[in-house]
Amino acid sequence: RKEVEQDPGPFNVPEGATVAFNCTYSNSASQSFFWYRQDCRKEPKLLMSVYSSGNEDGRFTAQLNRASQYISLLIRDSKLSDSATYLCVVNMGGGSYIPTFGRGTSLIVHP
Amino acid sequence: SAVISQKPSRDICQRGTSLTIQCQVDSQVTMMFWYRQQPGQSLTLIATANQGSEATYESGFVIDKFPISRPNLTFSTLTVSNMSPEDSSIYLCSVAKQVGNEQFFGPGTRLTVL
Repeated sequence: RKEVEQDPGPFNVPEGATVAFNCTYSNSASQSFFWYRQDCRKEPKLLMSVYSSGNEDGRFTAQLNRASQYISLLIRDSKLSDSATYLCVVNMGGGSYIPTFGRGTSLIVHP
Repeated sequence: SAVISQKPSRDICQRGTSLTIQCQVDSQVTMMFWYRQQPGQSLTLIATANQGSEATYESGFVIDKFPISRPNLTFSTLTVSNMSPEDSSIYLCSVAKQVGNEQFFGPGTRLTVL
């Protein structure tokens, strides 16, 4: 089983739709969690951190479910510019900082 | 945040040669990482570059193939040695100000080995 798993998609949604991605992780000792966005042929850029209490930034909401070992990203009112790959990153913890990336979920927002 | 630059941005190299990639950060950072990303794939961590000590390599990556330097808190280099076409990839430098913090990425170095 991979340490961090994401559905690669693509998720193909119309503008204005709400879409959600999940990311599961295998190490229950994981300490910190992030969502990154990567556009084609560009470097990943931090979208948001995922806190135990959840995190909301405009149309984006991230949540952590420690019991089931997954994090989620919800995008409301999708825009064409949201089309990208969304990468989940988990710090596998255990006393050392080992950032582990999921393979990413591809989102395509169409008119 | 941190502003990160990488040199070169891209290169085309002959097999058997070596290429050194530079990563410069605009502020002092504790953690520096080197990743590889092949087309359509996620990022694979090569190593963590620690200032004042040897880099820590992930499984499948060795110092002889990917020697790393970290002479200070704002700079690191990754060398891809004795290159083969399988080394063709994007190489990304990343930093985190503190352990467990979010990472910031450089623009990447696109390497093609013929």
